[in-house]
Amino acid sequence: AQSVAQPEDQVNVAEGNPLTVKCTYSVSGNPYLFWYVQYPNRGLQFLLKYITGDNLVKGSYGFEAEFNKSQTSFHLKKPSALVSDSALYFCAVRSNTGGFKTIFGAGTRLFVKA
Amino acid sequence: NAGVTQTPKFQVLKTGQSMTLQCAQDMNHEYMSWYRQDPGMGLRLIHYSVGAGITDQGEVPNGYNVSRSTTEDFPLRLLSAAPSQTSVYFCASSYEQGITEAFFGQGTRLTVV
Repeated sequence: AQSVAQPEDQVNVAEGNPLTVKCTYSVSGNPYLFWYVQYPNRGLQFLLKYITGDNLVKGSYGFEAEFNKSQTSFHLKKPSALVSDSALYFCAVRSNTGGFKTIFGAGTRLFVKA
Repeated sequence: NAGVTQTPKFQVLKTGQSMTLQCAQDMNHEYMSWYRQDPGMGLRLIHYSVGAGITDQGEVPNGYNVSRSTTEDFPLRLLSAAPSQTSVYFCASSYEQGITEAFFGQGTRLTVV
């Protein structure tokens, strides 16, 4: 069965500092991995994805994520946080075998303090 | 190009009532899905569809029905609402299963009293 874990309910970081939001996954086969962001009272918006190729993927708003197959992780990073980055972040995974379900993690709330 | 449109945005139901949450997309996406979002639990997949006429169950399908008669529409039906179905519901669509990103509607906030 597929699963996604976001071990931190909340991440606090000062503006200008680097941020990391963690995600680990479990799938059979090769993973397709995604990060989404949700602002208050809005639907989810796509940030970036890993399908194949370079382990470091770059996405919207200066975010990037690194795929680590041995650690089954896909952590979201940004070199310098902005107050406007404060939101709820979701990691999602789908296997390339055995079905079409995309499974989401529980979400991590990011607070960036000015 | 409206993307994914969900109606209504808010709904209050009494226990035992039925209703249909509407979802429509104008991007010609084959893959559509319904999620519910609850505090501390993230998004849980209710039902999904890989094309017109084809639906399947997700993680939490009990109490919900879906159908996919057209590519554009994917309604979610609550047969007999229960307080445990109080949640925010999101519809999503994507072009290819799993490879491309999903587009989400704005959500429907449902309260069952």
